[in-house]
Amino acid sequence: AQTVTQSQPEMSVQEAETVTLSCTYDTSESDYYLFWYKQPPSRQMILVIRQEAYKQQNATENRFSVNFQKAAKSFSLKISDSQLGDAAMYFCAYRSAKRSGANSKLTFGKGITLSVRP
Amino acid sequence: DAGVIQSPRHEVTEMGQEVTLRCKPISGHNSLFWYRQTMMRGLELLIYFNNNVPIDDSGMPEDRFSAKMPNASFSTLKIQPSEPRDSAVYFCASSYRISSGNTIYFGEGSWLTVV
Repeated sequence: AQTVTQSQPEMSVQEAETVTLSCTYDTSESDYYLFWYKQPPSRQMILVIRQEAYKQQNATENRFSVNFQKAAKSFSLKISDSQLGDAAMYFCAYRSAKRSGANSKLTFGKGITLSVRP
Repeated sequence: DAGVIQSPRHEVTEMGQEVTLRCKPISGHNSLFWYRQTMMRGLELLIYFNNNVPIDDSGMPEDRFSAKMPNASFSTLKIQPSEPRDSAVYFCASSYRISSGNTIYFGEGSWLTVV
């Protein structure tokens, strides 16, 4: 079974600075997808960024980028130019790429709470 | 396009009452998931369906919980009888394996409080 670990429960960053959120995972599969979701106080789960394991290039979405290290099974999220609206809980998640129903589910880490200091 | 639609958004009910949560997945999606989020346990997968068929219900806590997906555009999660420890945010999510690139999209959640 796959597991996702987010070992830092909380982090804080100064507005306009850069912060990196860590995530590691464990799997025996070679093909999979990784995600970062943001959950603001409204509790809605918002997709931030996704990474296909077969792609060597790290995904980027505006101020958000990932550092995907497949051999190390590490998937960190970097937020540049942090804004007050980035304050939220962030979840790392794993999903198998196998085309069978039993592997469709998304496995989440426990999340990290990010606060942004003005 | 409309996202995943859940109802009710908030519900407060008394212990012992039946609770029904509803979900309309994104049109064309063929996988549907029910997750529960609590402070203690984080995000837990309760059950998921592929093409309206339950694939894995091992996360359903006990017999008081049941889920159905009678057609591709509707699912329910029922708790009967409800207990205070069922208080949580319940998320419905959907996905289509091919065109969405395996991204799972979440609804806004149903906040359940059992008193």
